[in-house]
Amino acid sequence: EVQLVESGGGLVQPGGSLRLSCAASGFTFRNYWMTWVRQAPGKGLEWVAMIRQDGSEKYYVDSVKGRFTISRDNAMNSLYLQMNSLRVEDTAVYFCARSQDYGSGGYLADWGQGTLVTVSS
Amino acid sequence: DIQMTQSPSSLSASVGDRVTVTCRASQSISIYLNWYQQKPGKAPKLLIYGASSLRGGVSSRFSGSGSGTDFTLTISSLQPEDVATYYCQQGYTTPWTFGQGTKVEVK
Repeated sequence: EVQLVESGGGLVQPGGSLRLSCAASGFTFRNYWMTWVRQAPGKGLEWVAMIRQDGSEKYYVDSVKGRFTISRDNAMNSLYLQMNSLRVEDTAVYFCARSQDYGSGGYLADWGQGTLVTVSS
Repeated sequence: DIQMTQSPSSLSASVGDRVTVTCRASQSISIYLNWYQQKPGKAPKLLIYGASSLRGGVSSRFSGSGSGTDFTLTISSLQPEDVATYYCQQGYTTPWTFGQGTKVEVK
């Protein structure tokens, strides 16, 4: 059974930093792209960042470029999101998700339960 | 970025009704359109990928169709457990983008 367990969320002041982690099990982590998706309170889903199996390619939504860094440790079956210069508008539940290739595209096959990040003074 | 527009934003239907949600992409995304179901307080779950492929274990009440820019999610016979918000998402090019969601309720 695929399990994705996020941790590291919490309350942080604007301008602060936070590092999210996602512990993966139940599948061969090193074989899959991984993704972070967020959801602001009462709002829809927003794709945040994605990382290739070996970490050699990373993609970000424009609103977090230069502030957030996605990374992974395949030996530890873990995904990370380093969030710097946090803004109030970054307040959201952050989900990690296992990405699955499909032809020339992909989809988010499995999701963690999410971790809440609150940016407030 | 590719914009995804869902309609309606919400709907209310009776148990047993056929329900249709549409999703339109701002440019062609071939068949790389996925549908997710999110129940309150829970993580999203994949229902359909590649526009029409049903994920294993998902009820056959759910079906998807379309290609290019116009897509449809259909629930053939609405059940109480289908109350949720449904999102489309394009997996054609980064940044992957989601529709704004369609909230489905039972009358």
